[in-house]
Amino acid sequence: RKEVEQDPGPFNVPEGATVAFNCTYSNSASQSFFWYRQDCRKEPKLLMSVYSSGNEDGRFTAQLNRASQYISLLIRDSKLSDSATYLCVVPTGTYKYIFGTGTRLKVLA
Amino acid sequence: EPEVTQTPSHQVTQMGQEVILRCVPISNHLYFYWYRQILGQKVEFLVSFYNNEISEKSEIFDDQFSVERPDGSNFTLKIRSTKLEDSAMYFCASSPGGELFFGEGSRLTVL
Repeated sequence: RKEVEQDPGPFNVPEGATVAFNCTYSNSASQSFFWYRQDCRKEPKLLMSVYSSGNEDGRFTAQLNRASQYISLLIRDSKLSDSATYLCVVPTGTYKYIFGTGTRLKVLA
Repeated sequence: EPEVTQTPSHQVTQMGQEVILRCVPISNHLYFYWYRQILGQKVEFLVSFYNNEISEKSEIFDDQFSVERPDGSNFTLKIRSTKLEDSAMYFCASSPGGELFFGEGSRLTVL
């Protein structure tokens, strides 16, 4: 299994739709997880941190399943501005964070 | 809001030349990182730096690369003799422990 694995997409969804992305990780010792958003040719920006079973922030919900070693990101009521690449990030220790390839989302009008 | 700043935003260089990319991390952060992203590819870990020394580095970070924190604010990445395949976006990040905060990146083009 790759260290961090994501479906690259693209996911094309209409405005208002609910969309979910999964990310699997191989290091069972990882304790914290992050979702970042990256717009084209820009830096990754923190979207959500996941330290326990899950986290919710407005339209965004992240869930962690330690037994199956995956985290998910759910976006409700998609907006055009949500179009971006969503990066799953897993620390493999204090000093190294591994990025997934990212999942591209396109929200269509 | 404090932010990580990087210079230059874009540098074009000839193969074999030395390049220094500069970063000013967020002031109270303790952990510093360099990542790179080749166009169309994933964000790749290069090196982490803590307590004035390298904490961890990847296979990419070979003898051509070095990092330095010459004073209390700057964090630099040096590439001694650039290759064509070093062309990429280089992101600096800092962290208080936990989340990473990224600069806007330095785009390096090697001709």
